[in-house]
Amino acid sequence: AQSVTQPDIHITVSEGASLELRCNYSYGATPYLFWYVQSPGQGLQLLLKYFSGDTLVQGIKGFEAEFKRSQSSFNLRKPSVHWSDAAEYFCAYANDYKLSFGAGTTVTVRA
Amino acid sequence: DGGITQSPKYLFRKEGQNVTLSCEQNLNHDAMYWYRQDPGQGLRLIYYSQIVNDFQKGDIAEGYSVSREKKESFPLTVTSAQKNPTAFYLCASSIKGTGVYEQYFGPGTRLTVT
Repeated sequence: AQSVTQPDIHITVSEGASLELRCNYSYGATPYLFWYVQSPGQGLQLLLKYFSGDTLVQGIKGFEAEFKRSQSSFNLRKPSVHWSDAAEYFCAYANDYKLSFGAGTTVTVRA
Repeated sequence: DGGITQSPKYLFRKEGQNVTLSCEQNLNHDAMYWYRQDPGQGLRLIYYSQIVNDFQKGDIAEGYSVSREKKESFPLTVTSAQKNPTAFYLCASSIKGTGVYEQYFGPGTRLTVT
């Protein structure tokens, strides 16, 4: 069965420090991968997506993600975190219309 | 502004009552989706609709029903048969219902059943 795993349930990072969120997927063919962010009590906002091509994908709010087929990973990174980046982050894999989500990683930003 | 609206933001019901959650989009998207979100479980697909007058069950459809009479609207009814209805419900839409397209999400409705 296809699945998406986010190994870290919760990450705390200092403002200005770098952030990396891990995402691993398991399935067979060409992956279509997404990262979404959710502020408390809100809907999800798309940060970036990977369909094909360049394995380093740039997104909004200064985020980027790197697709590594050999490691079945699609990790999200940001060089310098702002307090407003405190949120929950979801990795998702698409198979046709259907999105399968990871359980999410909550990011806390400390001053 | 184009987008997805869900109403109400908070909904409270007594056990045994059916309740309908509203979802409207003005993005002219063909496909619409309903997800349920519980803490620590990510999002799970309840129902989806690729075109008007057609919809399909997702992974956790039991205890829920939907209709798609208009392109803009995809209401979700949580019936009394749903064992654990208290959750955060998210509606989404995408341009097409087949093929891979990004999904746009509404702000969600938090349903509490006591």
